[in-house]
Amino acid sequence: KNQVEQSPQSLIILEGKNCTLQCNYTVSPFSNLRWYKQDTGRGPVSLTIMTFSENTKSNGRYTATLDADTKQSSLHITASQLSDSASYICVVYFSGNTGKLIFGQGTTLQVKP
Amino acid sequence: NAGVTQTPKFQVLKTGQSMTLQCAQDMNHEYMSWYRQDPGMGLRLIHYSVGAGITDQGEVPNGYNVSRSTTEDFPLRLLSAAPSQTSVYFCASSSDRSSYEQYFGPGTRLTVT
Repeated sequence: KNQVEQSPQSLIILEGKNCTLQCNYTVSPFSNLRWYKQDTGRGPVSLTIMTFSENTKSNGRYTATLDADTKQSSLHITASQLSDSASYICVVYFSGNTGKLIFGQGTTLQVKP
Repeated sequence: NAGVTQTPKFQVLKTGQSMTLQCAQDMNHEYMSWYRQDPGMGLRLIHYSVGAGITDQGEVPNGYNVSRSTTEDFPLRLLSAAPSQTSVYFCASSSDRSSYEQYFGPGTRLTVT
C-alpha cells in the first residue's frame, strides 16, 4: 500500500535550536517528494520539491534530504525561530497509472522562546 | 496576483442543507483540486480538474460535486450536508499535477450540525 509516514507526530524545541523531521514512504513508483509548511489556520505552502535523483535541497534555513534507496526523507531546520511553529507535511507523488499526491499526517512543531 | 482564493472562510450548515464552496485562481493554472483535512489524517483528494470542462474523482468524492466552466474557477458543491463532512476544505492549483508545486488557498472551515 502506498503510504507516507512522518515522525515525530509533534515536537517542542527552544528558539535557536536545530531540529530534524522524518518522512518514510512506501510509494512506488514515485517521481518527486515535497515538504510543505502549514501555519495554523492557513493553507500549506511549499518549502521544497525534490525529484528521485536529488539528494538534498535547501530553502533558507530549511534543508531537505532524500534517500530514494531507503525511501526516507528528512527536513532539517537550522536556528529555529518562533515563526517556524507550524505543521510540516511530507508529500510524495505517486507516478503510477493514476498519478496522485500522497500526503503524510504531518509533524507539528512548536518553537518556544 | 491574489493566488488561490476561497470563500467563505467559515460556514455552519444544518444536516441536509446544500452549499457551494468557491475557489478561484489567477495564475492560469490548468490543474485544480479540492482536498479535505481532518484531525490526525493527511489531506485527502475529493475531486480534481486538469482543465476547463474536465473533472474527475479523487479518493473521497461521495457527497460532493464539481464543475470547471472556466480556467479560473473550480467550485465544490455539497449536495446534502452530513456531519461527516465537517472538515477544513482546501482548494489548490498548479501548472500540472505531477511536477510543479501546488498553491493552496486559505481554506474553508465547515461545520455540519
